[in-house]
Amino acid sequence: NAGVTQTPKFRVLKTGQSMTLLCAQDMNHEYMYWYRQDPGMGLRLIHYSVGEGTTAKGEVPDGYNVSRLKKQNFLLGLESAAPSQTSVYFCASTFDRDNQPQHFGDGTRLSIL
Amino acid sequence: TQLLEQSPQFLSIQEGENLTVYCNSSSVFSSLQWYRQEPGEGPVLLVTVVTGGEVKKLKRLTFQFGDARKDSSLHITAAQPGDTGLYLCAALSGYSTLTFGKGTMLLVSP
Repeated sequence: NAGVTQTPKFRVLKTGQSMTLLCAQDMNHEYMYWYRQDPGMGLRLIHYSVGEGTTAKGEVPDGYNVSRLKKQNFLLGLESAAPSQTSVYFCASTFDRDNQPQHFGDGTRLSIL
Repeated sequence: TQLLEQSPQFLSIQEGENLTVYCNSSSVFSSLQWYRQEPGEGPVLLVTVVTGGEVKKLKRLTFQFGDARKDSSLHITAAQPGDTGLYLCAALSGYSTLTFGKGTMLLVSP
């Protein structure tokens, strides 16, 4: 029973490098989300998707792109990493019904030097 | 975007003590969720409150939703070391997106 799986778990990048974070869920959830968590800031929504082939901007979308080519996968891309993007990134998913719990992965810790 | 104010930011207590964590906003919530997060893991849902004045109990945890649906509280009775963690309130919006408070870090010492 995997739930939400995020890869990689840790990564160190240099400024200007690019990378993609992968989120996979096996619960047949329609909705998926990417958050970042910084000390003293709580979790903030970056982008989300309400179904395969759809994406939408959240609270802090600048510097990130996303894709949802398959229902079970949601990818977060950093085209040109900046030190301000050093954070812990969480993916979550849920059913397309009201008041459902979001199921979170264990996070990707990303450091940009 | 709804702003959620959580207080206190940090709480350190002894095992057996009671505590209350608050979540407040100037806006009305349609519904609100409480999550608990342990180090190195993602948040896990504790409860969803939907109706103004609602009270929900989960073992030693009691959740209240204010009558005006602008505030919520989490009360823990006889805290245990296993209750240690980051407690987050989050307001639900369209497409089940969540706006989180900054969290309350609880440390319960034996």
